[in-house]
Amino acid sequence: KQEVTQIPAALSVPEGENLVLNCSFTDSAIYNLQWFRQDPGKGLTSLLLIQSSQREQTSGRLNASLDKSSGRSTLYIAASQPGDSATYLCAPNTDKLIFGTGTRLQVFP
Amino acid sequence: EPEVTQTPSHQVTQMGQEVILRCVPISNHLYFYWYRQILGQKVEFLVSFYNNEISEKSEIFDDQFSVERPDGSNFTLKIRSTKLEDSAMYFCASRTLMNTEAFFGQGTRLTVV
Repeated sequence: KQEVTQIPAALSVPEGENLVLNCSFTDSAIYNLQWFRQDPGKGLTSLLLIQSSQREQTSGRLNASLDKSSGRSTLYIAASQPGDSATYLCAPNTDKLIFGTGTRLQVFP
Repeated sequence: EPEVTQTPSHQVTQMGQEVILRCVPISNHLYFYWYRQILGQKVEFLVSFYNNEISEKSEIFDDQFSVERPDGSNFTLKIRSTKLEDSAMYFCASRTLMNTEAFFGQGTRLTVV
């Protein structure tokens, strides 16, 4: 059974910092892994999809890395902005997505 | 850009009543999913659906739940007799193949009173 852990659970940083959000998962037989953003009371916005054969995937200020064999993924956020404040979820995909509990990010001006 | 559409966005129902949550997946997608998120908790898998049948369901998905794809476009989740603990946000998702990106709807917030 896939277990997904995200560290830290919460993060509060000043604007401009570069951030690292960590995700670990127990079943490495994944097709891919998705990172999502969730604003309070809202839906899931897909940020990045990284395939199991890839090591990195980039979109703007976001960069996701994947080490499938060790069951880890990392989301880097460069030059954080207050608009980045949200909960970030990782979801490795075997035959379904299994979500972690998320990292709640607050970026203050 | 194609998107997954869920209706209604918010539904309030009395305990014991039946509810149907509706989803319109992206048109060429083949795999369909329902997830739920109780307030303050993580997003949990309920059921996956492929080729007009359930391919997997979680322990949460008991006999009170059912899913249907009644036509070529809709995908529904029915809860037969709602309980207070069914109050949650319910998300529908779809994708073309098992190894492609999953697209999520904006969710239906179900409140059972």
